[in-house]
Amino acid sequence: DTEVTQTPKHLVMGMTNKKSLKCEQHMGHRAMYWYKQKAKKPPELMFVYSYEKLSINESVPSRFSPECPNSSLLNLHLHALQPEDSALYLCASSQEVGGYEQYFGPGTRLTVT
Amino acid sequence: GEDVEQSLFLSVREGDSSVINCTYTDSSSTYLYWYKQEPGAGLQLLTYIFSNMDMKQDQRLTVLLNKKDKHLSLRIADTQTGDSAIYFCAETLNYGGATNKLIFGTGTLLAVQP
Repeated sequence: DTEVTQTPKHLVMGMTNKKSLKCEQHMGHRAMYWYKQKAKKPPELMFVYSYEKLSINESVPSRFSPECPNSSLLNLHLHALQPEDSALYLCASSQEVGGYEQYFGPGTRLTVT
Repeated sequence: GEDVEQSLFLSVREGDSSVINCTYTDSSSTYLYWYKQEPGAGLQLLTYIFSNMDMKQDQRLTVLLNKKDKHLSLRIADTQTGDSAIYFCAETLNYGGATNKLIFGTGTLLAVQP
């Protein structure tokens, strides 16, 4: 099973809302990632968790708050977003952070109104 | 810099071979990857090559690596309409210690004409 699942598939939220994106994997991977992808652009790394600890934060604004409650789950809490935050948010996992291949979920299409 | 370059667009006829090229930046990258992204979907890992190899074949896919020129290519034999997608190459960039991150190329849109 090489599946990474993400919910919801689509999300529309206002600038004052609070919402969360969820990601799950059951491959026993110890590294999990959040990426942001704008249309016609490559994914950009946001956060990396390794063994449930935040390992990399790519200077992401604090309105994005990641959380890794256990080794299979990764959340991204959203608050007071801006319209320019509208994008596809991708979750990925890998066996470790040391250059192993990453497996991606299908993404959550986020629209901020 | 961290720019990994790819040509924007490639159009081929069904049954022909496709060759997608990538120029990466970090000569110390240990692994180089090819991902496929269909419209509205996530990224699918297609194949990867270790930096001490110069070629890897995996069914219809052939990866060629020229470390001297930092050039990576993906050849798809007998291209099918289902191969139409955006293809991203990616290199691994050391972030310090054992942590690496992927740097994706700009992406190549492959359009397969029936």
